[in-house]
Amino acid sequence: DTEVTQTPKHLVMGMTNKKSLKCEQHMGHRAMYWYKQKAKKPPELMFVYSYEKLSINESVPSRFSPECPNSSLLNLHLHALQPEDSALYLCASSPKTSGGYEQYFGPGTRLTVT
Amino acid sequence: GENVEQHPSTLSVQEGDSAVIKCTYSDSASNYFPWYKQELGKRPQLIIDIRSNVGEKKDQRIAVTLNKTAKHFSLHITETQPEDSAVYFCAYNAGNMLTFGGGTRLMVKP
Repeated sequence: DTEVTQTPKHLVMGMTNKKSLKCEQHMGHRAMYWYKQKAKKPPELMFVYSYEKLSINESVPSRFSPECPNSSLLNLHLHALQPEDSALYLCASSPKTSGGYEQYFGPGTRLTVT
Repeated sequence: GENVEQHPSTLSVQEGDSAVIKCTYSDSASNYFPWYKQELGKRPQLIIDIRSNVGEKKDQRIAVTLNKTAKHFSLHITETQPEDSAVYFCAYNAGNMLTFGGGTRLMVKP
């Protein structure tokens, strides 16, 4: 299995809602990432997990809360989001974080905050 | 912080022509340089990558060249086809993460 999967594909939520995005990979990768991508822009790194531990948090607001329950799963918990948080949220994985490895991206969750 | 400049931001070519996209980076410690293709509504997908111990790599119609002294690397697509139309992102590893260029929208006209 050489794929990263993400659910849901689309999500519409109000500013007072709590929701979660899910990401899964079964390639044995030990590094997993969350990116945010706005239209016509490159992916913007949010969080990096290395061996299930949070290793990088790119100054992301606390309304985004990542979680890595095990080596195959990555969640992003959302609470009290703002309309400007509407974007495509991409999950990625790679064998490790260091040394330069290909990152495999999931199909993304398109989030709309109303 | 570290960044990578990508040019041009848009590129329109006739089918069969070649396309070249160039990126310039600042971190001299970088050793991995991938190129991603992202079609509309789809995920970024790696199309080719190069490591710092190699100056050029080719895969069918796609090639990447790296000049570490000048800190730039380029994507070359020959005999372009309409299905090559997409946004292309260069990237390089800075520490433990990838830094992406701003993207190039390539349009191949039939």
